[in-house]
Amino acid sequence: AQSVTQLDSQVPVFEEAPVELRCNYSSSVSVYLFWYVQYPNQGLQLLLKYLSGSTLVESINGFEAEFNKSQTSFHLRKPSVHISDTAEYFCAVSEAKGRRALTFGSGTRLQVQP
Amino acid sequence: NAGVTQTPKFRILKIGQSMTLQCTQDMNHNYMYWYRQDPGMGLKLIYYSVGAGITDKGEVPNGYNVSRSTTEDFPLRLELAAPSQTSVYFCASSYSGENSNQPQHFGDGTRLSIL
Repeated sequence: AQSVTQLDSQVPVFEEAPVELRCNYSSSVSVYLFWYVQYPNQGLQLLLKYLSGSTLVESINGFEAEFNKSQTSFHLRKPSVHISDTAEYFCAVSEAKGRRALTFGSGTRLQVQP
Repeated sequence: NAGVTQTPKFRILKIGQSMTLQCTQDMNHNYMYWYRQDPGMGLKLIYYSVGAGITDKGEVPNGYNVSRSTTEDFPLRLELAAPSQTSVYFCASSYSGENSNQPQHFGDGTRLSIL
Protein backbone atom coordinates (compact mmCIF):
# COMPACT_ATOMS: atom_id res chain seq x y z
CA ALA A 1 0.00 0.00 0.00
CA GLN A 2 1.07 3.56 -0.61
CA SER A 3 0.45 6.82 1.20
CA VAL A 4 1.10 10.44 0.31
CA THR A 5 1.58 13.34 2.68
CA GLN A 6 1.35 16.93 1.57
CA LEU A 7 2.78 18.91 4.42
CA ASP A 8 1.03 22.23 3.77
CA SER A 9 -2.72 22.58 3.31
CA GLN A 10 -2.41 26.22 2.20
CA VAL A 11 0.48 28.25 0.84
CA PRO A 12 -0.03 32.01 0.41
CA VAL A 13 2.61 33.71 -1.71
CA PHE A 14 3.05 37.01 -3.49
CA GLU A 15 3.16 37.23 -7.26
CA GLU A 16 6.64 36.71 -8.77
CA ALA A 17 7.92 35.08 -5.56
CA PRO A 18 9.29 31.50 -5.58
CA VAL A 19 7.24 28.67 -4.11
CA GLU A 20 7.75 25.08 -3.00
CA LEU A 21 4.92 22.64 -2.35
CA ARG A 22 6.08 19.66 -0.34
CA CYS A 23 5.17 16.04 -0.91
CA ASN A 24 6.39 12.89 0.81
CA TYR A 25 5.30 9.36 0.02
CA SER A 26 5.70 5.86 1.34
CA SER A 27 5.46 2.62 -0.58
CA SER A 28 6.73 -0.94 -0.40
CA VAL A 29 6.79 -1.30 -4.20
CA SER A 30 8.05 0.71 -7.16
CA VAL A 31 5.88 3.73 -7.87
CA TYR A 32 5.36 6.48 -10.36
CA LEU A 33 4.91 10.03 -9.09
CA PHE A 34 2.62 12.79 -10.31
CA TRP A 35 1.53 16.32 -9.63
CA TYR A 36 -2.00 17.30 -10.67
CA VAL A 37 -3.55 20.77 -10.60
CA GLN A 38 -7.23 21.50 -10.02
CA TYR A 39 -8.79 24.86 -10.83
CA PRO A 40 -12.14 25.73 -9.18
CA ASN A 41 -15.04 23.52 -10.32
CA GLN A 42 -12.86 21.64 -12.77
CA GLY A 43 -11.31 18.21 -13.01
CA LEU A 44 -7.68 17.40 -12.41
CA GLN A 45 -5.05 18.22 -15.00
CA LEU A 46 -1.67 16.54 -15.11
CA LEU A 47 1.09 19.00 -14.31
CA LEU A 48 4.10 16.71 -14.46
CA LYS A 49 5.14 13.12 -13.89
CA TYR A 50 8.10 11.02 -12.89
CA LEU A 51 8.20 7.53 -14.38
CA SER A 52 11.93 6.85 -14.67
CA GLY A 53 15.15 8.45 -15.83
CA SER A 54 16.15 11.97 -14.81
CA THR A 55 15.01 12.78 -11.31
CA LEU A 56 14.22 16.38 -12.24
CA VAL A 57 11.06 16.79 -14.28
CA GLU A 58 9.61 19.97 -15.70
CA SER A 59 6.24 21.19 -16.92
CA ILE A 60 5.55 23.53 -19.83
CA ASN A 61 4.44 26.36 -17.53
CA GLY A 62 7.57 26.66 -15.40
CA PHE A 63 6.96 24.16 -12.60
CA GLU A 64 9.52 21.50 -11.76
CA ALA A 65 9.71 18.62 -9.30
CA GLU A 66 12.59 16.50 -8.14
CA PHE A 67 12.27 12.86 -7.19
CA ASN A 68 14.40 12.10 -4.15
CA LYS A 69 14.35 8.38 -3.47
CA SER A 70 16.37 8.49 -0.25
CA GLN A 71 14.03 11.08 1.28
CA THR A 72 10.93 9.65 -0.45
CA SER A 73 9.98 13.14 -1.58
CA PHE A 74 8.68 14.75 -4.75
CA HIS A 75 8.50 18.47 -3.98
CA LEU A 76 7.05 20.88 -6.54
CA ARG A 77 8.78 24.21 -7.16
CA LYS A 78 8.37 27.29 -9.29
CA PRO A 79 10.87 30.16 -9.26
CA SER A 80 8.30 32.89 -9.98
CA VAL A 81 4.54 32.43 -9.61
CA HIS A 82 1.69 34.20 -11.38
CA ILE A 83 -1.83 35.02 -10.27
CA SER A 84 -3.04 32.37 -12.70
CA ASP A 85 -1.18 29.67 -10.72
CA THR A 86 -3.76 30.00 -7.93
CA ALA A 87 -5.26 26.50 -7.65
CA GLU A 88 -5.27 23.28 -5.65
CA TYR A 89 -2.26 21.04 -6.23
CA PHE A 90 -2.33 17.31 -5.59
CA CYS A 91 0.64 14.99 -5.31
CA ALA A 92 -0.11 11.38 -6.22
CA VAL A 93 1.62 8.03 -6.59
CA SER A 94 0.65 4.94 -8.48
CA GLU A 95 1.98 1.42 -8.47
CA ALA A 96 4.31 0.68 -11.36
CA LYS A 97 2.35 -2.54 -11.97
CA GLY A 98 -1.06 -3.97 -11.08
CA ARG A 99 -4.13 -1.76 -10.86
CA ARG A 100 -2.06 1.42 -11.22
CA ALA A 101 -4.65 3.48 -9.39
CA LEU A 102 -3.58 6.80 -7.95
CA THR A 103 -3.17 7.43 -4.24
CA PHE A 104 -3.53 11.14 -3.57
CA GLY A 105 -2.33 13.50 -0.93
CA SER A 106 -4.89 15.81 0.68
CA GLY A 107 -3.89 18.73 -1.54
CA THR A 108 -2.21 22.13 -1.14
CA ARG A 109 -4.08 25.29 -1.96
CA LEU A 110 -1.70 27.78 -3.57
CA GLN A 111 -2.97 31.35 -3.21
CA VAL A 112 -1.01 33.88 -5.23
CA GLN A 113 -1.56 37.45 -4.09
CA PRO A 114 -0.79 40.60 -6.11
CA ASN B 1 -11.27 15.19 -29.06
CA ALA B 2 -13.64 14.86 -26.08
CA GLY B 3 -11.41 12.85 -23.70
CA VAL B 4 -13.31 11.74 -20.59
CA THR B 5 -16.94 12.87 -20.44
CA GLN B 6 -19.05 12.69 -17.29
CA THR B 7 -22.78 13.27 -17.00
CA PRO B 8 -24.58 14.83 -15.24
CA LYS B 9 -22.45 17.69 -13.92
CA PHE B 10 -24.74 18.31 -10.93
CA ARG B 11 -27.44 16.29 -9.23
CA ILE B 12 -29.47 16.45 -6.03
CA LEU B 13 -30.92 13.20 -4.71
CA LYS B 14 -33.17 12.32 -1.83
CA ILE B 15 -32.06 9.70 0.69
CA GLY B 16 -32.85 6.23 -0.61
CA GLN B 17 -33.04 7.18 -4.29
CA SER B 18 -30.83 5.54 -6.86
CA MET B 19 -28.95 6.93 -9.83
CA THR B 20 -26.22 6.18 -12.33
CA LEU B 21 -23.29 8.46 -12.99
CA GLN B 22 -22.17 8.13 -16.59
CA CYS B 23 -18.57 8.12 -17.80
CA THR B 24 -17.35 7.61 -21.33
CA GLN B 25 -13.93 8.01 -22.92
CA ASP B 26 -12.93 8.13 -26.58
CA MET B 27 -9.21 7.46 -26.24
CA ASN B 28 -9.40 3.65 -26.38
CA HIS B 29 -7.96 3.46 -22.88
CA ASN B 30 -8.06 0.06 -21.20
CA TYR B 31 -7.98 1.25 -17.57
CA MET B 32 -10.82 3.26 -16.06
CA TYR B 33 -11.37 4.53 -12.52
CA TRP B 34 -13.95 6.15 -10.27
CA TYR B 35 -12.81 8.43 -7.47
CA ARG B 36 -14.66 10.57 -4.96
CA GLN B 37 -13.39 13.86 -3.58
CA ASP B 38 -14.62 15.12 -0.22
CA PRO B 39 -13.95 18.70 0.98
CA GLY B 40 -10.35 19.24 2.06
CA MET B 41 -9.37 15.74 1.02
CA GLY B 42 -7.62 14.11 -1.86
CA LEU B 43 -9.39 11.72 -4.15
CA LYS B 44 -10.19 8.20 -2.98
CA LEU B 45 -10.61 5.22 -5.29
CA ILE B 46 -14.09 3.67 -5.41
CA TYR B 47 -13.81 1.10 -8.22
CA TYR B 48 -11.58 0.46 -11.18
CA SER B 49 -11.51 -1.60 -14.36
CA VAL B 50 -8.57 -2.93 -16.35
CA GLY B 51 -10.67 -3.76 -19.41
CA ALA B 52 -14.14 -4.59 -20.66
CA GLY B 53 -15.80 -7.15 -18.41
CA ILE B 54 -13.28 -6.75 -15.57
CA THR B 55 -13.91 -4.60 -12.50
CA ASP B 56 -12.60 -4.54 -8.96
CA LYS B 57 -13.04 -2.65 -5.70
CA GLY B 58 -10.95 0.27 -4.56
CA GLU B 59 -10.62 1.72 -1.05
CA VAL B 60 -14.22 2.97 -0.61
CA PRO B 61 -16.59 0.71 -2.62
CA ASN B 62 -19.46 0.36 -0.13
CA GLY B 63 -22.76 1.65 -1.50
CA TYR B 64 -21.62 1.63 -5.12
CA ASN B 65 -21.61 -0.72 -8.08
CA VAL B 66 -19.98 -0.56 -11.50
CA SER B 67 -20.03 -2.37 -14.81
CA ARG B 68 -17.78 -2.30 -17.87
CA SER B 69 -19.55 -3.81 -20.85
CA THR B 70 -17.57 -1.77 -23.40
CA THR B 71 -14.12 -0.20 -23.54
CA GLU B 72 -15.64 3.28 -23.71
CA ASP B 73 -18.16 3.28 -20.87
CA PHE B 74 -17.79 2.83 -17.11
CA PRO B 75 -21.01 3.81 -15.26
CA LEU B 76 -21.14 4.11 -11.47
CA ARG B 77 -24.39 3.17 -9.73
CA LEU B 78 -25.67 4.30 -6.35
CA GLU B 79 -28.47 1.97 -5.26
CA LEU B 80 -29.66 3.58 -2.01
CA ALA B 81 -28.32 7.11 -1.73
CA ALA B 82 -27.10 8.15 1.72
CA PRO B 83 -25.92 11.57 2.99
CA SER B 84 -22.39 10.16 3.34
CA GLN B 85 -22.28 9.85 -0.45
CA THR B 86 -22.49 13.60 -0.92
CA SER B 87 -19.27 14.29 -2.80
CA VAL B 88 -17.70 15.18 -6.11
CA TYR B 89 -17.16 12.14 -8.29
CA PHE B 90 -14.40 11.92 -10.87
CA CYS B 91 -13.96 9.38 -13.61
CA ALA B 92 -10.51 8.82 -15.08
CA SER B 93 -8.95 6.66 -17.75
CA SER B 94 -5.48 5.67 -18.89
CA TYR B 95 -3.66 3.29 -21.16
CA SER B 96 -1.40 0.83 -19.38
CA GLY B 97 0.47 -2.00 -21.03
CA GLU B 98 3.33 -4.31 -20.21
CA ASN B 99 5.92 -1.64 -20.93
CA SER B 100 3.79 1.47 -20.79
CA ASN B 101 2.05 3.41 -18.07
CA GLN B 102 0.41 6.59 -19.25
CA PRO B 103 -0.98 9.20 -16.84
CA GLN B 104 -4.66 9.22 -16.05
CA HIS B 105 -7.00 11.65 -17.80
CA PHE B 106 -9.84 13.03 -15.69
CA GLY B 107 -13.36 14.14 -16.46
CA ASP B 108 -14.76 17.40 -15.09
CA GLY B 109 -16.61 15.67 -12.28
CA THR B 110 -20.17 15.14 -11.08
CA ARG B 111 -21.20 17.14 -8.02
CA LEU B 112 -23.73 15.04 -6.08
CA SER B 113 -25.73 16.13 -3.03
CA ILE B 114 -27.88 13.74 -1.02
CA LEU B 115 -30.54 15.44 1.09
